[in-house]
Amino acid sequence: QVLLQESGPGLVTPSETLSLTCAVSGGSINYYYWSWIRKPPGKGLEWIGYIFYTGNTKYSPSLQSRVTMSVDTSKNQVSLNLDSVTAADTAVYYCARLGSVDNYYFYIDIWGRGTTVAVSS
Amino acid sequence: DIVVTQSPLSLSVNPGEPASISCRSSQSLLHGTGNYYLDWYLQKPGQSPQVLIYRGFNRASGVPDRFSGSGSGTDFTLKISRVEADDVGVYYCMQTLQHRTFGQGTKLEI
Repeated sequence: QVLLQESGPGLVTPSETLSLTCAVSGGSINYYYWSWIRKPPGKGLEWIGYIFYTGNTKYSPSLQSRVTMSVDTSKNQVSLNLDSVTAADTAVYYCARLGSVDNYYFYIDIWGRGTTVAVSS
Repeated sequence: DIVVTQSPLSLSVNPGEPASISCRSSQSLLHGTGNYYLDWYLQKPGQSPQVLIYRGFNRASGVPDRFSGSGSGTDFTLKISRVEADDVGVYYCMQTLQHRTFGQGTKLEI
């Protein structure tokens, strides 16, 4: 059973960088896409972007100027950095795996439990 | 950017009755392969989201056949044939044709 565990600081100072890690257990990070999604309080889900195990990325147009994702295959983990945060970046951040039944169409088949990040001074 | 709009935003249904949620996109979600690039997810209270339907109509593994996806072009529907108490939560559609965009969510209550 593949499990995803997000970790990082629960509180980030405005204008600083939010850094999160997603540890993958029970399976390899290889050959999959890995995504980050967030849910601000009282709002819906927002897609942040995804990264292939090779390092290829695709980011949300609204966040791409501030987002960086990376993979560490030796540690079996993916990471998210979000620069210059404001209160609007306060959210539950989810790590997720994009699975496929045909290696052509990919959908989110496994989600982490999420980690809460508050941006405040 | 593709904008995705769901309706209604909230829904109250009696157990055993059907329910229907609409998802409308700002442009066609038809891919060149002939497939529709739209998924449906459910976030139950206190849980992470889970996939229900992928690629427009395909029910994910383990999802009861009470759930079905339909539609074409820009208009899609998630139908629950007989709502059960365990179906409460927020339902999201998400387009996957260009980047990914979620709808606002539809809260289902019993």
